[in-house]
Order: sequence, then C-alpha cells, then structure tokens
Amino acid sequence: GAGVSQSPRYKVAKRGQDVALRCDPISGHVSLFWYQQALGQGPEFLTYFQNEAQLDKSGLPSDRFFAERPEGSVSTLKIQRTQQEDSAVYLCASSQRRQSYGYTFGSGTRLTVV
Amino acid sequence: GQQLNQSPQSMFIQEGEDVSMNCTSSSIFNTWLWYKQDPGEGPVLLIALYKAGELTSNGRLTAQFGITRKDSFLNISASIPSDVGIYFCAGQGGTSYGKLTFGQGTILTVHP
Repeated sequence: GAGVSQSPRYKVAKRGQDVALRCDPISGHVSLFWYQQALGQGPEFLTYFQNEAQLDKSGLPSDRFFAERPEGSVSTLKIQRTQQEDSAVYLCASSQRRQSYGYTFGSGTRLTVV
Repeated sequence: GQQLNQSPQSMFIQEGEDVSMNCTSSSIFNTWLWYKQDPGEGPVLLIALYKAGELTSNGRLTAQFGITRKDSFLNISASIPSDVGIYFCAGQGGTSYGKLTFGQGTILTVHP
C-alpha cells in the first residue's frame, strides 16, 4: 500500500486479556520498528526487525510483550495479560533501507486497558 | 526510558511569528531528526541531520546539529495555522541501528 497500515486503530481490553496488534509496512521495506507512545510523551522504542530477523528487542518492557515478523513483511505485536500501564498508542514504522532514518510511521493503534 | 530534554513544552504564537525550539541530551548522538505529529497520526519526518555543525533547511524550517553532538534546534519562520501540532526531536547514537530516542515534544499553537 501507499503507507504503513496498522490495525485495529482502537482497542479496548480488559485487564488480563491478551491482545494482538498488526502492522502492514510499505511493500518492499526492509526495516520495521515498533514504538510505544504514552499520553503526552514522545514515542519510546520497543523493537526492530530487519526482514524477518528481530535484531533489537531491548525496548520491550517485559516478557509479556512479544513481536514477530515471520515472512519479513507483516508484523504482529502481542501483549499478554494486559495491565493498565500498557495503555498507550503503539506505533509501527518501516524504512526501505537498513539503518535508514527516513522511517514512515503508521497512524498507530490506541490501546486502552480497563 | 531515556528521553531527550526538549523545550519549551508548549508555545502559543501569532500567525507570522518565528518559532524556535531545542533539544539537549547528556549523550552524544550521531543523527538528529525533527518530526511533526498531528492528532491521531504518526510522526512525520521534517528534517534529518547527520553531521555535527550541519545546518539544514526545508522550506520555512531550519534545523542545526550542535557541534558538541548533544543538542539540536529547530526554527520555523513566518508561522501559519497549519504549523499547529506537536514537534519532536529524536536522536540516534552508538550502534543501536535505527533505534531513536525521542524528546517529550513541543506543542505549538498558532493563533490566526
């Protein structure tokens, strides 16, 4: 597609529920990133893929967070046993080249845990 | 997590005025970037800076990569209503390929 597509746009989860957030990067983009943006804050890095390889997952806040990109295109961010502090906007970005900072961000998924 | 120190937190200006915002860090960065985020959207890249001392313009926007590599500023000249939004600085350092550290953002309001 023309841009990075994320779904769903909004997700309300009950505390303890598992959620899965999807990212469709721009076709052919090698690199894919996930960021978490709390209300009133800047985005914070979660994880980075180059093709299907997860090269950096240092930003994942706990072992309840898991990301995958099995075929090097679509990526899924999964959060198990959601907690209220997981409420945030989850942004996905992709770039054509390795180590490129010309990322294109998606519009994000707003997760609210109640 | 670590964030850059961005100031001011918010600005209220009249259309036509110039705007300046800056970012500082205790760590050295190899790349500085400036993004704009509209409500309900992801950040959009405005300017990228790759070398200490570099001064780059994009239309009415001008940004500089500080010589110490620990700071950057963004200027917007002759502001217009569509400049409204949240502006973020972001830096990349070391060998953390692609991983950006963002500032807290500057909320810009432009009164017509």
